Amino acid sequence: AQSVTQLDSHVSVSEGTPVLLRCNYSSSYSPSLFWYVQHPNKGLQLLLKYTSAATLVKGINGFEAEFKKSETSFHLTKPSAHMSDAAEYFCVVSDWPDFQKLVFGTGTRLLVSP
Amino acid sequence: SQTIHQWPATLVQPVGSPLSLECTVEGTSNPNLYWYRQAAGRGLQLLFYSVGIGQISSEVPQNLSASRPQDRQFILSSKKLLLSDSGFYLCAWSGGGERNIQYFGAGTRLSVL
Repeated sequence: AQSVTQLDSHVSVSEGTPVLLRCNYSSSYSPSLFWYVQHPNKGLQLLLKYTSAATLVKGINGFEAEFKKSETSFHLTKPSAHMSDAAEYFCVVSDWPDFQKLVFGTGTRLLVSP
Repeated sequence: SQTIHQWPATLVQPVGSPLSLECTVEGTSNPNLYWYRQAAGRGLQLLFYSVGIGQISSEVPQNLSASRPQDRQFILSSKKLLLSDSGFYLCAWSGGGERNIQYFGAGTRLSVL
């Protein structure tokens, strides 16, 4: 069965500095991987997705993630943090045979200081 | 374009009272529909999913039930709420050619007192 590990429960950065949110996955086949963002008391918004095309995936709001099969990682990055990036971020995996079920990581809270 | 509506946004209910949360999707047909619960400081737990009218799969044994009376309507219910039912409930849909991409509603904050 697939699983996701988000290595940091909290990440703190200063505005204008790079962001790195780490995610490792476990999968038996060829997974699809996603990053979602959740602002306080809001639903989840899809940031980006990897579905076996290009390994470097660009998403909304300047975020991108790189699928590294050899390292079973799918880390989320952004060159320069903005105050509005402060939120909870979830790494998510789905895999064969049940692609329609998503498995969520426990989340990483990103704190951005001025 | 597709939109998902979920209500109410906030709900405070006494222990032992019934529950009904509703979710509807517009702009698509035959979507997959999902109910998740998010407890404080934790990830999302899939409660129910549905691939069609009247077809409900339960992921976690609990005090809740789900129904899909219409193609784009998904309802989460309970006959008697427990304190442990408190949490943030999210509805999601997927459809078209990418059924593993889910889109979420704004959520319902349920407090059982």
